Amino acid sequence: QSVLTQPPSVSAAPGQNVTISCSGSSSDIGTNDVSWYQQFPGAAPNLLIYDNRKRPSGISDRFSGSKSGTSATLVITGLQTGDEADYFCGVWDSSLSSPWVFGGGTRLTVL
Amino acid sequence: QVQLHESGPGLVKPSETLTLTCAVSGGSVNSGSSYWSWIRQPPGKGLEWIGYIYYRGSTNYNPSLKGRVIMSLDTSRSQFSLKLNSVTAADTAVYYCARGWSAFDIWGQGTMVTVSS
Repeated sequence: QSVLTQPPSVSAAPGQNVTISCSGSSSDIGTNDVSWYQQFPGAAPNLLIYDNRKRPSGISDRFSGSKSGTSATLVITGLQTGDEADYFCGVWDSSLSSPWVFGGGTRLTVL
Repeated sequence: QVQLHESGPGLVKPSETLTLTCAVSGGSVNSGSSYWSWIRQPPGKGLEWIGYIYYRGSTNYNPSLKGRVIMSLDTSRSQFSLKLNSVTAADTAVYYCARGWSAFDIWGQGTMVTVSS
């Protein structure tokens, strides 16, 4: 069971916007910066968002991140069929139980 | 541009030691402030952070692996390694090497390791 809670799946039609949530605690999201990763089947994860809201070079501005309290959110606007993938949040955990934790992942289906 | 590439045996017997290497190209494994991590993903499941090694050699491991992990750097070959001992079927996963600790900005393509007799 993952420390960070994500919805197992979300779906939306092309052109629509979708939100993926990531819920944690005061020792992880509440204290440290969240990153988001996109993973296509059979491929390695790819960094989408770091430091809660920053995008690496080359990542579309259709992807945006935010954080409030012990939760983080990834928003994808103007959905495209090529966005269909798994999305994971991750954060450093300041408690001693596990230094780095990931969410369980959210499967995005573009209808 | 820095690239990572994992290598190692695809099959390991139970109770033996899994050893993987990650080659760093396009950059140096001992460049300033670089953290090198290992992350794994069991088939059909989520990601699990295994640990990192800092370019100066200090390490930080996931306590859930109960002292079975050792990471090392080989600066002459620009690579870093993972050793996981006393493996069981639960260690079957795709193993990724990655750069970073607060976020992982570069990943290897991953290597599948199956633990089976």
